[in-house]
Amino acid sequence: AQSVTQPDIHITVSEGASLELRCNYSYGATPYLFWYVQSPGQGLQLLLKYFSGDTLVQGIKGFEAEFKRSQSSFNLRKPSVHWSDAAEYFCAVGHYSSASKIIFGSGTRLSIRP
Amino acid sequence: NAGVTQTPKFRILKIGQSMTLQCTQDMNHNYMYWYRQDPGMGLKLIYYSVGAGITDKGEVPNGYNVSRSTTEDFPLRLELAAPSQTSVYFCASSQGGNQPQHFGDGTRLSIL
Repeated sequence: AQSVTQPDIHITVSEGASLELRCNYSYGATPYLFWYVQSPGQGLQLLLKYFSGDTLVQGIKGFEAEFKRSQSSFNLRKPSVHWSDAAEYFCAVGHYSSASKIIFGSGTRLSIRP
Repeated sequence: NAGVTQTPKFRILKIGQSMTLQCTQDMNHNYMYWYRQDPGMGLKLIYYSVGAGITDKGEVPNGYNVSRSTTEDFPLRLELAAPSQTSVYFCASSQGGNQPQHFGDGTRLSIL
């Protein structure tokens, strides 16, 4: 069965430090991969997406993610976090043929230490 | 740019009451979705629609109904509210099934 795993429920990093949020997926075909961010009281906003091509994708707000097929991973990175990055981050995986097959991970809450 | 608009933002219901969560989008997207978000559980798909007049069940459809009479609107109906339906509900839309989804700000619903 398809699944998305975000192993870290909560991460705290210092402002200015680097960040990596982990995402692993199990999918029977070449997936479409997404990272979304959710600020408190708001809906999800797309950070970046991977459909095909270059496995390192750039997103908004200085985020990037790398698709590693051999590891079934799509980790999100940022070289230097800002206090405004504190939010919940969701990884999602889908397939081109099915609207109902977009699966969201359970999320990672990011806190920023001043 | 309104995007996806959900109303109401908050609602408290008594057990057994019914209500409709409204969702409208102004991006002319064919695909629309309803999710529920419970703490630590991510998003679960309730229903989705690939166009006006077409709806289908997602992962957790029991206790809910939807309709899609226009491209813009995708209301979610709770007929007999139960405490297990206490959650935050999100509506989303997209150009296609593999395209990024645009989310509303959610409706926080409590069933007491």
